Amino acid sequence: GAVVSQHPSWVICKSGTSVKIECRSLDFQATTMFWYRQFPKQSLMLMATSNEGSKATYEQGVEKDKFLINHASLTLSTLTVTSAHPEDSSFYICSAIGTSGRAGETQYFGPGTRLLVL
Amino acid sequence: TQLLEQSPQFLSIQEGENLTVYCNSSSVFSSLQWYRQEPGEGPVLLVTVVTGGEVKKLKRLTFQFGDARKDSSLHITAAQPGDTGLYLCAGALNQGGKLIFGQGTELSVKP
Repeated sequence: GAVVSQHPSWVICKSGTSVKIECRSLDFQATTMFWYRQFPKQSLMLMATSNEGSKATYEQGVEKDKFLINHASLTLSTLTVTSAHPEDSSFYICSAIGTSGRAGETQYFGPGTRLLVL
Repeated sequence: TQLLEQSPQFLSIQEGENLTVYCNSSSVFSSLQWYRQEPGEGPVLLVTVVTGGEVKKLKRLTFQFGDARKDSSLHITAAQPGDTGLYLCAGALNQGGKLIFGQGTELSVKP
């Protein structure tokens, strides 16, 4: 149980285009999903917290107009990188928890999406 | 700023050796989770520790949560090449399920 999927697993795009990444909880309902960014050999950096039916909460320094997050259902959250540039190239990972943020709730991670912007 | 200091950041050892990874913070966590991540994949949960002083074992891996719930350690006995990967500790605060991640430990076990 507690499987999270991401699509696509990798994407290459031209500079200036927008890219949408999907995160799905396959066997549970996720009221809260998280989006992370990870550079090679480094830890995960939280970008935003996404709650179903409400606006995402962005971490300091993350541009909300650049990284659009939508959490329209209890099993799906999307991250759209708008007008992507080479510096946006990274590994994007989502995670989900099964309750509305109870302390100590385990986060289950997706397999990640590798984005390369040319 | 809540920080979780993880050390060492890099570790290269021979097969059969033991190792310990540490995570320390000045913050008190409601729980602490350990993950292992392989290149190009998402983190996979190894264990969650909740109670201060708790010790959990997973085959050759031993996890300990400090009495004050501010620190944790991961000890691997007789490491094997299959243990190679990035190990991440993450502390949970009472902030809507948010996790604070350590810097990660890149472990390489050579045969």
